[in-house]
Amino acid sequence: AQKITQTQPGMFVQEKEAVTLDCTYDTSDQSYGLFWYKQPSSGEMIFLIYQGSYDEQNATEGRYSLNFQKARKSTNLVISASQLGDSAMYFCAMREGHSTGGFKTIFGAGTRLFVKA
Amino acid sequence: DAGVTQSPTHLIKTRGQQVTLRCSPKSGHDTVSWYQQALGQGPQFIFQYYEEEERQRGNFPDRFSGHQFPNYSSELNVNALLLGDSALYLCASSFRVSSYNEQFFGPGTRLTVL
Repeated sequence: AQKITQTQPGMFVQEKEAVTLDCTYDTSDQSYGLFWYKQPSSGEMIFLIYQGSYDEQNATEGRYSLNFQKARKSTNLVISASQLGDSAMYFCAMREGHSTGGFKTIFGAGTRLFVKA
Repeated sequence: DAGVTQSPTHLIKTRGQQVTLRCSPKSGHDTVSWYQQALGQGPQFIFQYYEEEERQRGNFPDRFSGHQFPNYSSELNVNALLLGDSALYLCASSFRVSSYNEQFFGPGTRLTVL
């Protein structure tokens, strides 16, 4: 069963505007972590932002913020004031497991973001 | 402070051959995870090593095996290569085995199987 779902294969946004990338997840664990990564065409995977399952506040990191809705199992990434350099592939990921038994990180299929000048 | 390093950068093999990929974790990190990323897809978790033991494994056949050394570096071995093994192989490191720790990724090894 799909554990991470990103329903937007591609998104366009005008430079300087905000954009929301959607992500839903499925897990029966109570303790898990949610991550967003950016992958430019160079292939490097860049960590953007993290949300823990027990965090009550939505995570923010500079221009990146999460709209975390635990009951709906969704964690949408909001990028404010888009820049041309934001054009890349964006992956939502979930880490589940146990601190003694190790953990797995499951990635979604990704959303390709195009920022227009 | 060196980040995660991987070698080689690119590799070309033929079907049936064996390959070994290497990863050195970020300084201070002791946990290494390996991922396979086929073209146009998200990374798929292969396995995770901590304290020189495989702690978690994804849905990959036994042809995929690994090792972690006392200095925390790791190897990924793939036997009997198939065309479908062509992918970007990413290594990620973190500190301790925890759901809350950020993973840092290496630049990847691009494997092409002919």
